Amino acid sequence: AQSVTQLGSHVSVSEGALVLLRCNYSSSVPPYLFWYVQYPNQGLQLLLKYTSAATLVKGINGFEAEFKKSETSFHLTKPSAHMSDAAEYFCAVSEGGSQGNLIFGKGTKLSVKP
Amino acid sequence: KAGVTQTPRYLIKTRGQQVTLSCSPISGHRSVSWYQQTPGQGLQFLFEYFSETQRNKGNFPGRFSGRQFSNSRSEMNVSTLELGDSALYLCASSLEVAGEVDTQYFGPGTRLTVL
Repeated sequence: AQSVTQLGSHVSVSEGALVLLRCNYSSSVPPYLFWYVQYPNQGLQLLLKYTSAATLVKGINGFEAEFKKSETSFHLTKPSAHMSDAAEYFCAVSEGGSQGNLIFGKGTKLSVKP
Repeated sequence: KAGVTQTPRYLIKTRGQQVTLSCSPISGHRSVSWYQQTPGQGLQFLFEYFSETQRNKGNFPGRFSGRQFSNSRSEMNVSTLELGDSALYLCASSLEVAGEVDTQYFGPGTRLTVL
């Protein structure tokens, strides 16, 4: 069965510092991996997705993630945090390319200090 | 293109009642999925509809049901509401292009409070 583990339910960084949000997955087949962001009282917005085309995936708002099969990880990074990055971030895995069943991690709440 | 829309945005019901939530997908999208989000359980998959047929189902009791219409709009229904059904219900739609990885686009959600 697939699963996603996000290490750290809360992460706090200073403005301008590196953002690193961790995600490890478990899947019996090559996975499709996603990062979503959720701002308060809103739905989920897609940041980026891994589709096996390239291990380093660039997303919106300066975020990127690297797929490491040997570590079963898909960590999200951003070189320099901005106040507007404060939100909750979810990592998700899907087995099939066309299956509407995403398995989500518990989420990591990112705080950005001025 | 308009995004995924969900109505109503907020709803308050009492235990034992039933509720119907509506979701209009992005134009052209034929797959609609529903998720429940709670502080304790996080985001959990409810079910997915494609071309008016339920294609996948999560591990929820039969009180949770859904349907999809010919225009791809979807509704979910919860009968005999319990306090634990209080949650944010999210709908997502996807295009499904052969040979491409499907991406789900989410609506703003319906916040259901059961008193």
